[in-house]
Amino acid sequence: ETGVTQSPTHLIKTRGQQVTLRCSSQSGHNTVSWYQQALGQGPQFIFQYYREEENGRGNFPPRFSGLQFPNYSSELNVNALELDDSALYLCASSVPGPQRGPEGGYGYTFGSGTRLTVV
Amino acid sequence: QKEVEQDPGPLSVPEGAIVSLNCTYSNSAFQYFMWYRQYSRKGPELLMYTYSSGNKEDGRFTAQVDKSSKYISLFIRDSQPSDSATYLCAMSAGNTGKLIFGQGTTLQVKP
Repeated sequence: ETGVTQSPTHLIKTRGQQVTLRCSSQSGHNTVSWYQQALGQGPQFIFQYYREEENGRGNFPPRFSGLQFPNYSSELNVNALELDDSALYLCASSVPGPQRGPEGGYGYTFGSGTRLTVV
Repeated sequence: QKEVEQDPGPLSVPEGAIVSLNCTYSNSAFQYFMWYRQYSRKGPELLMYTYSSGNKEDGRFTAQVDKSSKYISLFIRDSQPSDSATYLCAMSAGNTGKLIFGQGTTLQVKP
């Protein structure tokens, strides 16, 4: 039990559609990051949210957007789906900054992910 | 060139063997180094975390960081079939959620 839950676990969408993926973090985890993991590859950083504001973004187009809510839940939205968007989408949440490393350890916990298939 | 390079394997060893997994990187700003284990259809699970250079040991696992060579390693002693998984190295310049991952090495430990 990681304390980070993602829904749905699997999803099939058609090219051009829009999708919303959800993540529920542990209480007190005010930082959440989203990653895309293509088959056979390592996760790639999409963006991070801290206290409901985007706080860092990777090399992903604007059709990837997110929201973070005060109840420690968050969403990843992808518009105009493309076949290459098929991947495992992971969220990772963290304790507040002062509790993180170097002495406090890294502190980010991943969920089990949502497997998105675009056909 | 990728910022983090990791041999994808697959790597197959007999039970009880010592396993060595490695990553090289190009960004000298990286200070936080991690190893994650990922089972099939699961999210990555943090195994080892090292800040800056040096060695860290936790049970059968030892992580080494050599910043001068931009090279990190994970050693698994007395490997078990339950260690069969994909091992991902990850690193970060700051203590943020932006991790740069290697491709992952698939390990199979045969009974």
